[in-house]
Amino acid sequence: GESVGLHLPTLSVQEGDNSIINCAYSNSASDYFIWYKQESGKGPQFIIDIRSNMDKRQGQRVTVLLNKTVKHLSLQIAATQPGDSAVYFCAENTGFQKLVFGTGTRLLVSP
Amino acid sequence: NAGVTQTPKFQVLKTGQSMTLQCAQDMNHEYMSWYRQDPGMGLRLIHYSVGAGITDQGEVPNGYNVSRSTTEDFPLRLLSAAPSQTSVYFCASRMGLMKETQYFGPGTRLLVL
Repeated sequence: GESVGLHLPTLSVQEGDNSIINCAYSNSASDYFIWYKQESGKGPQFIIDIRSNMDKRQGQRVTVLLNKTVKHLSLQIAATQPGDSAVYFCAENTGFQKLVFGTGTRLLVSP
Repeated sequence: NAGVTQTPKFQVLKTGQSMTLQCAQDMNHEYMSWYRQDPGMGLRLIHYSVGAGITDQGEVPNGYNVSRSTTEDFPLRLLSAAPSQTSVYFCASRMGLMKETQYFGPGTRLLVL
């Protein structure tokens, strides 16, 4: 999961495994959530989003789950590939123009 | 489309120097914003603009100025650089105000000595 601190939490998986990255968000009024992928030296890249009236949304090889009761968001990546290695972070929309970003989780995929 | 572009990629400044970080997008997006990214912290919003001629402060605006004279460009100015402004700066844009995919530029890495 994500945490505030100097060192990013790291998830290490083998190629072909499924990965689950977690995020605890802060504001119970947040109504929109996004997962981003950031590769080294690049800007964040949109992966998938979900509105608060949903609890699951699927994309290509990715699924986002939202549990509003415990304010928890997760990103599941199926059949993880070496190209999935990056930092993943979630963002919550807390109100007008206000996207609050998590600190991120580093995913390392071994061949 | 080039998407969101930023220049320069890297910059070293001395304390007290000024500089402008450039950001441009060719997607005709109304909403643009500047973030800084520091180790151990999430992206923090510096300034944003909802359209040409309109700007507003984000979470950490002190020490930075912005202007939006055209839809395409959103420069970020540091008037008197301080070591605390050492960071990676990202510009982003999106079409609408709410719940729209936000596209980020490649970033500018700034070191203030």
